Formats: sequence, C-alpha cells, structure tokens
Amino acid sequence: AQSVTQPDIHITVSEGASLELRCNYSYGATPYLFWYVQSPGQGLQLLLKYFSGDTLVQGIKGFEAEFKRSQSSFNLRKPSVHWSDAAEYFCAVGARTGNNRKLIWGLGTSLAVNP
Amino acid sequence: NAGVTQTPKFQVLKTGQSMTLQCAQDMNHEYMSWYRQDPGMGLRLIHYSVGAGITDQGEVPNGYNVSRSTTEDFPLRLLSAAPSQTSVYFCASRGQGMGNEQFFGPGTRLTVL
Repeated sequence: AQSVTQPDIHITVSEGASLELRCNYSYGATPYLFWYVQSPGQGLQLLLKYFSGDTLVQGIKGFEAEFKRSQSSFNLRKPSVHWSDAAEYFCAVGARTGNNRKLIWGLGTSLAVNP
Repeated sequence: NAGVTQTPKFQVLKTGQSMTLQCAQDMNHEYMSWYRQDPGMGLRLIHYSVGAGITDQGEVPNGYNVSRSTTEDFPLRLLSAAPSQTSVYFCASRGQGMGNEQFFGPGTRLTVL
C-alpha cells in the first residue's frame, strides 16, 4: 500500500542549529515528492518538490531535500534554523490510485525552536 | 490573485444543524479538494473534484456532500453536524498534473456542540 511515514512527531532544536526532518515513503513507481509547511493558524505552503532530475532540490526559506531511491526517503534539511521556522512540516507523495492521482500525506513533524 | 479563499474562518454548530463551507479559487485550477485536519491524524481527504461537474470521494466522505458547478467554487456541505466533525477544514486547488503545487486556503475551524 502507498504510505508516507514521518518518524518524528516532534523535534526541538536551538536557533542556529542544523535541522533534518525525515520522510520515508512506500510507492511502487517513481514518486512525486513534496514538503509543505504549516505555520500556526495558517494553511499549508509548498516548500519544495521533486519528481525528476537532480535528487537534491532547493526550496524556499533556505530548505533543501534529497531524494534517495534506495532508502525510499526524502529528508528535509536546513543548515541553520531560525525562530520563524517553528511550524508543522508535512511530507507528501503524489500517487496514482486508479485513474486519479492524489497526494498521500504523512502525519507531520512539529518543529519547536529554542532561542 | 486572491488564491484560495474560504469562509467562514470560524463556526460553531449544534448537533444536527447543517451548513456549507465555502471555497473559491481564482487561478483557473481544475483540481480542488477538501481536507480535514485533526490532531495526530494529519490531513485526511474528504472529497475532491477534477473539474466542473466531476466530484469523487476521498478517505472520509461520510457526512459531507460536495458539488462543482463552476471551476472557481467548491462548497462543502455538512448535512447533519455531529461532534465528530469538529475539526479544521482546508480547501486546496492545483492545476492538472501531479507535479503542480497545491494551494491551500486559510482554513475553517468548526466546532460542533
């Protein structure tokens, strides 16, 4: 079955520290992969996406993610976290189900940033 | 562009009441969807539409109806509200093609007493 796993429910980092949020997926074909961010009380915003080409993709707000087919992973990274990065982060896979393509969502990782 | 708009932002209903959550987009997107977000459960797809006149069920469609008479609008109807429908509801839209970004509205926080 198609699925997305974000192993870390909650992560706390200090401002200025590096960050890696994990995402593992289960999908038979080459997936479309996305990371979205949700600030408190807001809707979701796309950080970055991958569906072909260079496996290291750059996104907004200084984030990047690397697609590793052998590990079925698409981990999100940032070299130096800012207090404004505190938010909920969702990984998603675009998957074909029947004649339609839908997004399959992970349960999210909540990021807290200590000053 | 206003993007995806949702109304109302907040709503309190009594059990058994009905209401419609409004969603509109001005990006001429074919694909629109409704999600509910509950703590610890991520985003769950309620209904979606691939174009005007075409709708389909998602993971959790029971208790909800949708219609898509125009490209722009995709209202979600709660037929007889239940406390289990207390949630935050998000409408989203994207262009055709899985690689397109999905744009989200700001959400509607619904409480059913």
